[in-house]
Amino acid sequence: KAGVTQTPRYLIKTRGQQVTLSCSPISGHRSVSWYQQTPGQGLQFLFEYFSETQRNKGNFPGRFSGRQFSNSRSEMNVSTLELGDSALYLCASSTQGWNEQFFGPGTRLTVL
Amino acid sequence: AQTVTQSQPEMSVQEAETVTLSCTYDTSESDYYLFWYKQPPSRQMILVIRQEAYKQQNATENRFSVNFQKAAKSFSLKISDSQLGDAAMYFCAYVSETSGSRLTFGEGTQLTVNP
Repeated sequence: KAGVTQTPRYLIKTRGQQVTLSCSPISGHRSVSWYQQTPGQGLQFLFEYFSETQRNKGNFPGRFSGRQFSNSRSEMNVSTLELGDSALYLCASSTQGWNEQFFGPGTRLTVL
Repeated sequence: AQTVTQSQPEMSVQEAETVTLSCTYDTSESDYYLFWYKQPPSRQMILVIRQEAYKQQNATENRFSVNFQKAAKSFSLKISDSQLGDAAMYFCAYVSETSGSRLTFGEGTQLTVNP
């Protein structure tokens, strides 16, 4: 079974731009969660989508949004990028959400 | 709110030896999952082992085993016969049904394996 895939793997943007990251979960997994990893804050939960609905949300500003499609693929969007948004963005998929989650390789976002 | 604490920022072990990484957590729930994830330099987060809170038996996956002490809220990872490929950052994580899919991670322990 193929693992979780994320595209692109690396991204460089400038302040004020917006960016869209994509995540394809493991086949059959309906839950996709997004996490931000930074050296200072560690791993922080952004949000979770289950069957195309946002089911859970972390403590991030409204500039961070997401969606999920009928095939369970998910996208995350960050508008009006700030320097502090530079991070590794990880997505994880699972069957139910609150059980084991399998992670993708991440997207490294650099904001200049 | 649930919290997960890893008190050892760095650990080192000799190849073929055994090492134990510590993790404590705080929760008022009775049903939850605990995990150990490994993040090598590639940054890919890899699930090492899982423990369901209602199971008293400690989980084991090949050279990896846990010591789950529910009353003490302790969840340590033992790596036996350490290999060079075990070198990575290890994260302890918690999730429960009431927290939804929100994994709560510890700060991580950087494990070095010396040849």
